[in-house]
Amino acid sequence: DVQMTQSPSSLSASIGDRVTITCRASHDVSDYLAWYQQKPGEAPRLLIFTASTLQSGVPSRFSGGGSGTDFTLAISNLQPEDVATYYCQRYNSVPYTFGQGTKVEIK
Amino acid sequence: QLQLQQSGPGLVNPSETLSLNCNVSGASVSNKNYYWVWIRQPPGKGLEWIGSMYYTGSTYYTPSLQSRLTMSMDTSKNQFSLKLSSVTAADTGLYFCSRRNIVAALGYFDLWGRGTLVTVSS
Repeated sequence: DVQMTQSPSSLSASIGDRVTITCRASHDVSDYLAWYQQKPGEAPRLLIFTASTLQSGVPSRFSGGGSGTDFTLAISNLQPEDVATYYCQRYNSVPYTFGQGTKVEIK
Repeated sequence: QLQLQQSGPGLVNPSETLSLNCNVSGASVSNKNYYWVWIRQPPGKGLEWIGSMYYTGSTYYTPSLQSRLTMSMDTSKNQFSLKLSSVTAADTGLYFCSRRNIVAALGYFDLWGRGTLVTVSS
């Protein structure tokens, strides 16, 4: 199976900061990469698909990039409501696999 | 309103079968643009794709659960279901139903149910 590795596993940043999360695939997944946000006690929410396309309704401070094996999720101007765990996921073939998650907290 | 409504018991005895339903509102399970998906999350851990089903009846299961897993669909009720047999404590977790959108070729999971916490315990 293609493994997805996220870094860091957690981070703490101040309101207004820019934070970046990295996701690395063990094999080329082209741009079939999505990012999800999961707040405590809630279902995941799709943020970004095809590596860089923002899902409708998602604030523009979220952005994604990368292709092949290396991807990033950036949150500019970090807000209190962005406290959550973020997951990358490849969907180019079964079994679809997720990264282990990155927990974002406010300092 | 577009939503996925999950139902099913929250407690299952070891060695028995876990059964969950996902009722779809605002979309049709027979729509060729979507697969219907189950994902689970062990307590305090990450997300695991369990399986997907297409309206044609085609199913795709994660290899580690394939021998115990059955997904089905009832188009008359616009719902799909999960059955996982011979459960153990390792199957405890939050189970989500979801929709895989394949409108733009390969698909991402764009709609999620709220999740059902299933505990395997006697």
